[in-house]
Amino acid sequence: GENVEQHPSTLSVQEGDSAVIKCTYSDSASNYFPWYKQELGKGPQLIIDIRSNVGEKKDQRIAVTLNKTAKHFSLHITETQPEDSAVYFCAAVQIGSEKLVFGKGTKLTVNP
Amino acid sequence: KAGVTQTPRYLIKTRGQQVTLSCSPISGHRSVSWYQQTPGQGLQFLFEYFSETQRNKGNFPGRFSGRQFSNSRSEMNVSTLELGDSALYLCASSTGQAYNSPLHFGNGTRLTVT
Repeated sequence: GENVEQHPSTLSVQEGDSAVIKCTYSDSASNYFPWYKQELGKGPQLIIDIRSNVGEKKDQRIAVTLNKTAKHFSLHITETQPEDSAVYFCAAVQIGSEKLVFGKGTKLTVNP
Repeated sequence: KAGVTQTPRYLIKTRGQQVTLSCSPISGHRSVSWYQQTPGQGLQFLFEYFSETQRNKGNFPGRFSGRQFSNSRSEMNVSTLELGDSALYLCASSTGQAYNSPLHFGNGTRLTVT
């Protein structure tokens, strides 16, 4: 079945720096890759998603890149702010079973 | 528009008991899916309901079950609770199928089994 590996598990950056989180997946047929942000005490919230027909998508300070050949996709956050501190999850579709499989999460800390 | 509402927020149960969790989706969303979140296993898919029918199911024992009502509200039930069932249970609603549509999560129900 689909396996999604997410790295790093923790990431600490200074305010204003960029942060990059990378995920690899195993199902070459996977075609939907969302990213979720989970703040303490809350449920995950979708921040950006990308489908396999595009290689990059941007939304203000957030961008996602997809490399289907290498089977990896990355989240890029520029000009980080303390409110970006949270746990970020990537996910990919397991096509055969039509299930979304999540990575184990990255705890991002942005230091003022 | 109101978000996804889960009740209760916290539950403490004893091994062997059963528990029912409730989820009210965003108005107009017909798909409701459930997830278990633990520090060790992360976010794992339990099941998805659409128009009162279970559309998909994860790899959990039969002790975990769910249902959806005609107003799209959903409940999940766990019978014969085990210590390992302690987790945050999250419900999400979506307009399309849960595996390829944006999910709108509730804030979860924290279940502690003692």
